Amino acid sequence: EAQVTQNPRYLITVTGKKLTVTCSQNMNHEYMSWYRQDPGLGLRQIYYSMNVEVTDKGDVPEGYKVSRKEKRNFPLILESPSPNQTSLYFCASGRSSYNEQFFGPGTRLTVL
Amino acid sequence: GQNIDQPTEMTATEGAIVQINCTYQTSGFNGLFWYQQHAGEAPTFLSYNVLDGLEEKGRFSSFLSRSKGYSYLLLKELQMKDSASYLCAVRGGSYIPTFGRGTSLIVHP
Repeated sequence: EAQVTQNPRYLITVTGKKLTVTCSQNMNHEYMSWYRQDPGLGLRQIYYSMNVEVTDKGDVPEGYKVSRKEKRNFPLILESPSPNQTSLYFCASGRSSYNEQFFGPGTRLTVL
Repeated sequence: GQNIDQPTEMTATEGAIVQINCTYQTSGFNGLFWYQQHAGEAPTFLSYNVLDGLEEKGRFSSFLSRSKGYSYLLLKELQMKDSASYLCAVRGGSYIPTFGRGTSLIVHP
């Protein structure tokens, strides 16, 4: 089944404790991206990747890191999480940025 | 920069027709997407417009006017399951799509 998977789906952590949210797609898509979704603010892009080893900042990259060492994986890293990073996170992929994106199920992160 | 506007919330009656508008101001234009997002779920793709005019797909249609910076999503024969948020996303000069804040549609019996 063609899909985008994210792990974990839910996470409660404390300020400053490094964490990684994994994202994997099995559709051989070149384009991958990370969004956060907050009430009243909609989906805001954190980082995107046009292909392996090519990543770039989106609209709200502060406090986040990403890597794209393989085509299928695009992990999101929070080196020192803070409470303002409490949010719902979505990973998405597409054949390219020209095409529709397929979204993962979301990761609900709470930083205390 | 980009500015994308959608109404925050709309209500409609089962069986009716509803039009959700999206206006945008972008540096360049390279396509507009509509997504549907049910509460607690991931967005799913509905439609894509890059040329002016109407694209029809079953009960859903999407219209684009590039000169007016305007699009709408038309939902016909509304069903209760159409209650969801509808997200407009515009790909500007950077070719990377930017999402609007979404329109929450409530369909009541």
